[in-house]
Amino acid sequence: NAGVTQTPKFQVLKTGQSMTLQCAQDMNHNSMYWYRQDPGMGLRLIYYSASEGTTDKGEVPNGYNVSRLNKREFSLRLESAAPSQTSVYFCASSETKTLQETQYFGPGTRLLVL
Amino acid sequence: AQSVTQLDSHVSVSEGTPVLLRCNYSSSYSPSLFWYVQHPNKGLQLLLKYTSAATLVKGINGFEAEFKKSETSFHLTKPSAHMSDAAEYFCVVSDLSSSNTGKLIFGQGTTLQVKP
Repeated sequence: NAGVTQTPKFQVLKTGQSMTLQCAQDMNHNSMYWYRQDPGMGLRLIYYSASEGTTDKGEVPNGYNVSRLNKREFSLRLESAAPSQTSVYFCASSETKTLQETQYFGPGTRLLVL
Repeated sequence: AQSVTQLDSHVSVSEGTPVLLRCNYSSSYSPSLFWYVQHPNKGLQLLLKYTSAATLVKGINGFEAEFKKSETSFHLTKPSAHMSDAAEYFCVVSDLSSSNTGKLIFGQGTTLQVKP
Protein backbone atom coordinates (compact mmCIF):
# COMPACT_ATOMS: atom_id res chain seq x y z
CA ASN A 1 0.00 0.00 0.00
CA ALA A 2 1.80 3.12 -1.26
CA GLY A 3 -0.25 5.69 0.71
CA VAL A 4 0.52 9.20 -0.55
CA THR A 5 3.03 9.56 -3.36
CA GLN A 6 4.58 12.73 -4.75
CA THR A 7 6.57 13.49 -7.88
CA PRO A 8 9.15 14.73 -8.44
CA LYS A 9 11.27 14.26 -5.32
CA PHE A 10 13.52 17.17 -6.17
CA GLN A 11 13.38 19.99 -8.73
CA VAL A 12 15.48 23.01 -9.63
CA LEU A 13 13.78 25.85 -11.50
CA LYS A 14 14.84 29.21 -12.78
CA THR A 15 12.85 32.27 -11.83
CA GLY A 16 9.81 32.58 -14.09
CA GLN A 17 9.63 28.93 -15.05
CA SER A 18 6.50 26.92 -14.39
CA MET A 19 6.01 23.43 -13.08
CA THR A 20 3.41 21.11 -11.64
CA LEU A 21 3.87 19.01 -8.53
CA GLN A 22 1.92 15.79 -8.62
CA CYS A 23 0.29 14.00 -5.71
CA ALA A 24 -1.71 10.79 -5.61
CA GLN A 25 -3.23 8.74 -2.82
CA ASP A 26 -4.52 5.20 -2.90
CA MET A 27 -6.46 5.21 0.37
CA ASN A 28 -9.77 6.34 -1.15
CA HIS A 29 -9.60 9.54 0.88
CA ASN A 30 -11.95 12.38 0.14
CA SER A 31 -9.80 15.31 1.29
CA MET A 32 -6.38 16.35 0.09
CA TYR A 33 -3.99 19.15 1.06
CA TRP A 34 -0.85 20.93 -0.09
CA TYR A 35 1.58 22.37 2.48
CA ARG A 36 4.92 24.06 2.28
CA GLN A 37 7.59 23.68 4.93
CA ASP A 38 10.14 26.40 5.59
CA PRO A 39 12.80 26.39 8.32
CA GLY A 40 11.47 27.48 11.70
CA MET A 41 7.91 27.88 10.44
CA GLY A 42 6.40 24.43 10.61
CA LEU A 43 4.05 23.56 7.76
CA ARG A 44 1.69 26.08 6.21
CA LEU A 45 -1.37 25.17 4.20
CA ILE A 46 -1.35 26.36 0.58
CA TYR A 47 -4.57 24.88 -0.79
CA TYR A 48 -6.87 22.04 0.10
CA SER A 49 -9.63 20.03 -1.50
CA ALA A 50 -12.32 18.90 0.89
CA SER A 51 -13.80 16.56 -1.71
CA GLU A 52 -13.52 15.75 -5.38
CA GLY A 53 -14.47 18.76 -7.45
CA THR A 54 -13.79 21.38 -4.76
CA THR A 55 -10.71 23.40 -3.89
CA ASP A 56 -10.12 26.20 -1.41
CA LYS A 57 -7.33 28.53 -0.43
CA GLY A 58 -5.29 27.94 2.66
CA GLU A 59 -2.96 30.23 4.54
CA VAL A 60 -0.45 30.99 1.74
CA PRO A 61 -2.10 30.50 -1.69
CA ASN A 62 -0.48 33.37 -3.62
CA GLY A 63 1.58 32.20 -6.60
CA TYR A 64 -0.02 28.74 -6.71
CA ASN A 65 -2.92 27.00 -8.38
CA VAL A 66 -4.32 23.53 -7.79
CA SER A 67 -6.37 20.95 -9.62
CA ARG A 68 -8.25 18.07 -8.09
CA LEU A 69 -8.05 15.87 -11.14
CA ASN A 70 -10.07 13.04 -9.63
CA LYS A 71 -10.49 11.49 -6.21
CA ARG A 72 -6.93 10.14 -6.21
CA GLU A 73 -4.93 13.05 -7.61
CA PHE A 74 -4.32 16.62 -6.47
CA SER A 75 -1.74 18.71 -8.31
CA LEU A 76 -0.06 21.98 -7.38
CA ARG A 77 1.08 24.36 -10.10
CA LEU A 78 3.56 27.19 -9.95
CA GLU A 79 2.88 29.39 -12.99
CA SER A 80 5.91 31.66 -12.63
CA ALA A 81 8.32 30.44 -10.00
CA ALA A 82 9.99 32.89 -7.64
CA PRO A 83 12.93 32.37 -5.25
CA SER A 84 10.50 32.83 -2.35
CA GLN A 85 8.86 29.57 -3.42
CA THR A 86 11.99 27.61 -2.61
CA SER A 87 10.67 25.18 -0.05
CA VAL A 88 9.72 21.60 0.67
CA TYR A 89 6.21 20.79 -0.46
CA PHE A 90 4.09 18.13 1.18
CA CYS A 91 0.87 16.64 -0.01
CA ALA A 92 -1.48 15.05 2.51
CA SER A 93 -4.82 13.30 2.49
CA SER A 94 -7.51 12.41 5.00
CA GLU A 95 -10.64 10.35 4.87
CA THR A 96 -12.87 13.34 5.39
CA LYS A 97 -12.43 17.01 6.12
CA THR A 98 -13.56 16.78 9.71
CA LEU A 99 -11.38 18.11 12.49
CA GLN A 100 -10.43 14.85 14.08
CA GLU A 101 -9.25 13.04 10.99
CA THR A 102 -5.64 12.00 10.72
CA GLN A 103 -3.83 13.45 7.74
CA TYR A 104 -1.37 11.17 5.95
CA PHE A 105 1.62 12.83 4.36
CA GLY A 106 3.68 12.09 1.29
CA PRO A 107 7.50 12.12 1.30
CA GLY A 108 7.75 15.67 0.00
CA THR A 109 9.12 17.53 -3.03
CA ARG A 110 12.17 19.70 -2.53
CA LEU A 111 12.02 22.73 -4.82
CA LEU A 112 14.85 25.16 -5.41
CA VAL A 113 14.13 28.30 -7.42
CA LEU A 114 17.19 30.15 -8.62
CA ALA B 1 -8.03 31.95 16.60
CA GLN B 2 -6.16 28.75 17.27
CA SER B 3 -2.41 28.71 17.68
CA VAL B 4 0.25 26.34 18.92
CA THR B 5 3.64 27.07 20.48
CA GLN B 6 6.42 24.57 20.87
CA LEU B 7 8.49 25.86 23.72
CA ASP B 8 11.83 24.37 22.67
CA SER B 9 13.30 24.49 19.19
CA HIS B 10 15.95 21.92 20.13
CA VAL B 11 16.07 19.22 22.81
CA SER B 12 19.07 16.98 23.47
CA VAL B 13 18.89 13.84 25.60
CA SER B 14 21.05 10.81 26.20
CA GLU B 15 19.91 7.41 25.02
CA GLY B 16 17.87 5.70 27.72
CA THR B 17 16.81 8.92 29.47
CA PRO B 18 13.30 10.44 29.43
CA VAL B 19 12.09 12.71 26.66
CA LEU B 20 9.87 15.76 27.19
CA LEU B 21 8.80 17.93 24.28
CA ARG B 22 6.62 20.84 25.33
CA CYS B 23 3.62 22.24 23.50
CA ASN B 24 1.10 24.90 24.49
CA TYR B 25 -1.98 25.71 22.47
CA SER B 26 -4.48 28.49 22.29
CA SER B 27 -8.06 27.74 21.40
CA SER B 28 -11.49 29.07 22.20
CA TYR B 29 -12.96 25.65 21.57
CA SER B 30 -12.19 22.09 22.58
CA PRO B 31 -9.36 21.37 20.20
CA SER B 32 -8.15 18.28 18.43
CA LEU B 33 -4.42 17.99 19.00
CA PHE B 34 -1.80 15.92 17.26
CA TRP B 35 1.89 15.12 17.44
CA TYR B 36 3.65 14.30 14.18
CA VAL B 37 7.25 13.15 13.72
CA GLN B 38 9.46 13.83 10.72
CA HIS B 39 12.65 11.87 10.24
CA PRO B 40 15.35 13.43 8.06
CA ASN B 41 14.29 13.74 4.43
CA LYS B 42 11.02 11.95 5.13
CA GLY B 43 7.37 12.89 5.26
CA LEU B 44 5.41 13.38 8.46
CA GLN B 45 4.05 10.47 10.44
CA LEU B 46 1.33 10.65 13.06
CA LEU B 47 2.54 9.76 16.55
CA LEU B 48 -0.71 10.29 18.43
CA LYS B 49 -3.83 12.43 18.57
CA TYR B 50 -6.23 13.77 21.17
CA THR B 51 -9.88 14.11 20.22
CA SER B 52 -11.70 14.77 23.53
CA ALA B 53 -11.67 11.19 24.76
CA ALA B 54 -9.06 10.15 27.36
CA THR B 55 -6.73 12.97 28.35
CA LEU B 56 -3.70 10.67 28.39
CA VAL B 57 -3.06 9.56 24.85
CA LYS B 58 -0.74 6.73 23.94
CA GLY B 59 0.95 6.69 20.58
CA ILE B 60 3.39 4.67 18.58
CA ASN B 61 6.96 3.84 19.60
CA GLY B 62 6.28 4.34 23.32
CA PHE B 63 5.31 8.02 23.10
CA GLU B 64 2.42 9.49 25.01
CA ALA B 65 0.96 12.93 25.61
CA GLU B 66 -1.35 14.37 28.22
CA PHE B 67 -4.00 16.96 27.42
CA LYS B 68 -4.20 19.48 30.27
CA LYS B 69 -6.96 21.97 29.65
CA SER B 70 -6.16 24.08 32.71
CA GLU B 71 -2.60 24.55 31.48
CA THR B 72 -3.49 24.57 27.76
CA SER B 73 -0.68 22.09 27.25
CA PHE B 74 -0.16 18.89 25.29
CA HIS B 75 3.39 17.81 26.13
CA LEU B 76 4.91 14.74 24.50
CA THR B 77 6.85 12.28 26.64
CA LYS B 78 8.69 9.00 26.38
CA PRO B 79 10.25 7.18 29.34
CA SER B 80 13.42 6.10 27.58
CA ALA B 81 14.88 7.65 24.43
CA HIS B 82 16.21 5.51 21.61
CA MET B 83 18.65 6.60 18.95
CA SER B 84 15.95 6.12 16.33
CA ASP B 85 13.84 8.80 18.05
CA ALA B 86 16.14 11.52 16.72
CA ALA B 87 13.86 13.56 14.45
CA GLU B 88 11.79 16.72 14.26
CA TYR B 89 8.51 16.74 16.15
CA PHE B 90 5.50 18.91 15.39
CA CYS B 91 2.64 19.74 17.70
CA VAL B 92 -0.49 20.43 15.68
CA VAL B 93 -3.97 21.76 16.41
CA SER B 94 -7.05 21.63 14.23
CA ASP B 95 -8.22 24.99 12.97
CA LEU B 96 -11.69 25.16 14.46
CA SER B 97 -12.34 28.59 12.99
CA SER B 98 -12.69 27.08 9.55
CA SER B 99 -16.03 25.32 9.98
CA ASN B 100 -14.85 21.76 10.00
CA THR B 101 -12.50 22.02 7.06
CA GLY B 102 -9.85 19.89 8.73
CA LYS B 103 -7.17 22.54 8.41
CA LEU B 104 -4.21 22.01 10.68
CA ILE B 105 -2.07 24.59 12.40
CA PHE B 106 1.51 23.48 12.95
CA GLY B 107 3.95 24.49 15.63
CA GLN B 108 7.42 25.52 14.59
CA GLY B 109 8.86 22.12 15.39
CA THR B 110 11.27 20.70 17.98
CA THR B 111 14.41 18.91 16.90
CA LEU B 112 15.19 15.99 19.18
CA GLN B 113 18.82 14.95 19.37
CA VAL B 114 19.64 11.63 21.06
CA LYS B 115 23.23 11.15 22.20
CA PRO B 116 24.76 7.71 22.66
